[in-house]
Amino acid sequence: AQKITQTQPGMFVQEKEAVTLDCTYDTSDQSYGLFWYKQPSSGEMIFLIYQGSYDEQNATEGRYSLNFQKARKSANLVISASQLGDSAMYFCAMREGLSYNTDKLIFGTGTRLQVFP
Amino acid sequence: ETGVTQTPRHLVMGMTNKKSLKCEQHLGHNAMYWYKQSAKKPLELMFVYNFKEQTENNSVPSRFSPECPNSSHLFLHLHTLQPEDSALYLCASSQGGAAPLETQYFGPGTRLLVL
Repeated sequence: AQKITQTQPGMFVQEKEAVTLDCTYDTSDQSYGLFWYKQPSSGEMIFLIYQGSYDEQNATEGRYSLNFQKARKSANLVISASQLGDSAMYFCAMREGLSYNTDKLIFGTGTRLQVFP
Repeated sequence: ETGVTQTPRHLVMGMTNKKSLKCEQHLGHNAMYWYKQSAKKPLELMFVYNFKEQTENNSVPSRFSPECPNSSHLFLHLHTLQPEDSALYLCASSQGGAAPLETQYFGPGTRLLVL
């Protein structure tokens, strides 16, 4: 079973509008972290935002916010006031557990966001 | 230089060649990672080094050989690769530790084409 599911292969949004990118996850751990990364066409993975499983408040970072619904196991990324430069691939990722050797960051398949004028 | 750098950015090699990818991090981190990103597939973790010790080898074929001489540098030695090894190879680093919120920071990647 997939650990991270991103069901939207592509999304379009008009400049200055808000957009939500979906992410659901599967884990039996009580302690885990959820991350969103942006990958422009240049290839670099840019860290955007993270959420801890014990955090009661949704994480926010500038125009990015994470809509964390623990019972539904979802961690959707909300981008407010979209800009043309937001056009990129967006990846949701999860890190499980507290073991020293658990360094795995598990990624979803990504959502390609295109912002149009 | 800041962040995580990778060289070369692009590489074309034949199946009989030997080449190496280099990654350097300037963040004072203790953990480094190699990932492979193929078209239409999720990012795949290949190797993890914590304090220069390899802690993860995700069933990677032996034609890929990692080397971590110190906490700032990570290499991926390539030999007798196959065309299906063509991909974007990303290096990442993190503080090193057990915190679930530990963030990995990525380099720009090396686009590898195997002919």
